Amino acid sequence: GEQVEQRPPHLSVREGDSAVITCTYTDPNSYYFFWYKQEPGASLQLLMKVFSSTEINEGQGFTVLLNKKDKRLSLNLTAAHPGDSAAYFCAVSEDYGNEKITFGAGTKLTIKP
Amino acid sequence: EAAVTQSPRNKVAVTGGKVTLSCNQTNNHNNMYWYRQDTGHGLRLIHYSYGAGSTEKGDIPDGYKASRPSQENFSLILELATPSQTSVYFCASGDGRGANTEVFFGKGTRLTVV
Repeated sequence: GEQVEQRPPHLSVREGDSAVITCTYTDPNSYYFFWYKQEPGASLQLLMKVFSSTEINEGQGFTVLLNKKDKRLSLNLTAAHPGDSAAYFCAVSEDYGNEKITFGAGTKLTIKP
Repeated sequence: EAAVTQSPRNKVAVTGGKVTLSCNQTNNHNNMYWYRQDTGHGLRLIHYSYGAGSTEKGDIPDGYKASRPSQENFSLILELATPSQTSVYFCASGDGRGANTEVFFGKGTRLTVV
């Protein structure tokens, strides 16, 4: 089955700096890719979803890059602020209609003042 | 706004006892899921369902059963709870519509088995 490896498990950056979290996956049939944010004690909040036809998606203060050739997904926070401190999870699912989503182990991001 | 409600939010259970975690969704989604979250493992899929009456095994189903009596409700059952099942459990629902695929999570249930 699908395996998703997420790095790094912990990341600490200064406010205003960039932060990059990367996931690699194994199943070449994977089609949908997600980034979730989880604040302490809270549930998971969808940040962005990316599909096979999309290589780069930009959100508010972050960019998601998908490289299907290398089976790699990354989240780049361009100018970190204290509100970005949270755990981030990538997730991968297979073809249309299959919502068996496999998650990475997560990255705990800390923003230092 | 999509809504997934879990109950209870916190539970302490005795080893060998039976535990039932409940989940209700008002999204009219066909698919529902139970995950557990442990440090260093992310979220791992226990059971899922494609609709009322169906349950499927996820990646770590041992020691757990699931029940989907209706579109709205999906329960996770621990017949004989063990301390290794101490974890945070998340329920989720989704509609599997290709590009509109999105899964909505409940707030989680913290289970401690002593």
